[in-house]
Order: sequence, then structure tokens, then C-alpha cells
Amino acid sequence: GAGVSQSPSNKVTEKGKDVELRCDPISGHTALYWYRQSLGQGLEFLIYFQGNSAPDKSGLPSDRFSAERTGGSVSTLTIQRTQQEDSAVYLCASSVTGTGHGGYTFGSGTRLTVV
Amino acid sequence: AQTVTQSQPEMSVQEAETVTLSCTYDTSENNYYLFWYKQPPSRQMILVIRQEAYKQQNATENRFSVNFQKAAKSFSLKISDSQLGDTAMYFCAFMKGKAAGNKLTFGGGTRVLVKP
Repeated sequence: GAGVSQSPSNKVTEKGKDVELRCDPISGHTALYWYRQSLGQGLEFLIYFQGNSAPDKSGLPSDRFSAERTGGSVSTLTIQRTQQEDSAVYLCASSVTGTGHGGYTFGSGTRLTVV
Repeated sequence: AQTVTQSQPEMSVQEAETVTLSCTYDTSENNYYLFWYKQPPSRQMILVIRQEAYKQQNATENRFSVNFQKAAKSFSLKISDSQLGDTAMYFCAFMKGKAAGNKLTFGGGTRVLVKP
């Protein structure tokens, strides 16, 4: 596609429910990243994909968070048993090469609100 | 670990004037990249400008330019001839220069308001 597409744009969920956030990167971009933006913590790295594999998952805050990428394209970030502290904007980005040195292209994010 | 500090939480500027945003960073790396991203209310982070640490020449992109001082670990952004559409959050970010999987480390952001 022309840009990085994320869905849903906004999601309100009840505490304890599972949620899935979707990211559709730019076609041909091999690297995909998830970041979280929250008031208290700023912008934090979550996970990096190169193709379908995730060499760096170091930013996932707990085992309630998981992500996968299929076909070297679409990625899904899943949060199980959501907590109020999971409320944040989840940003996805992609880059044409694995280095990311040229900068990423970001999507518009999913705002997750846990009530 | 790298840290990025933006000391100005908010700045305002009159339309057509110039504003400079400060950014300092801390790293022991010698090869790295620096970026400024703009985040308007639409939430999408837009790359404004990038600088390669091994290049001494300051990067420029139209009305945006940087002052990169490697020894001082400083990377400020100058917005010239400010326009209403420049109103946004601006984030400074650092990336190591290793082979792959490079994370961005972001500063806390500076909110810029351009007044008519």
C-alpha cells in the first residue's frame, strides 16, 4: 500500500479482555517495528521483525504481549488479559531495509483504552 | 544505553518566524544516526530530517535544518519561516549504526505551536 496502515484506529476494551492490533506495512518493506506511546513512558520500542522472524522482542513489557508477522507483510500485536496500564497509542512502522538507517515510515497508530 | 533529552516541553512561535528546538543525547557509540520526527494531531509520526553522525555537514530539508555538534552530543532543529501546519509535537530520536534491527530511542518531545 501507499503507507503503513493500522487498524482499528481506536479501541476501547474492558479490563481482562484480549485485543488484537493490526499493522499493514508498506509493500516490500522487510522490517517492521511496534512502538508504544503513553503519557507516562513516552515512546517505547516493543518488537522488531525482519521478514517473519522477530530477532528482537526485548521491549515486550510482559508475557501478556505477543506479536506475529505472516507472509513478510501483515503483523498482529496481541495483548491478553488487558490491564489499565496497557492504555496507550500503539504505533507500527516499517522500513525498506533491515537497518532502518533511512528512517522508518509510521502508521497513525491504534489508541487503546482499557476501562 | 542511549538517552535522548529534549529540555523544552513547549514552544510557541509567530507565523513566518524562526524557532529552534534543542536535543541532547548520551551514547558511547561512534557510528549512529539522528532523526527529527513530527507528530501532528493525526498521530502519524512523520520523518522531518535525518543526520548521519559520520557526516560533519548539517542536514537541511527545505525550511528545516539541524545544528549537529557531535562532540557536544547536541542535535538541534531549526524551523524557518514557520507555518501554521508546523504546529505539532516534535521528537528527536537516536539510532545505533549496527547492521540490522536498529531501534529508535526517542526524547520526550517538544510541543510547537505556531500562532497566526
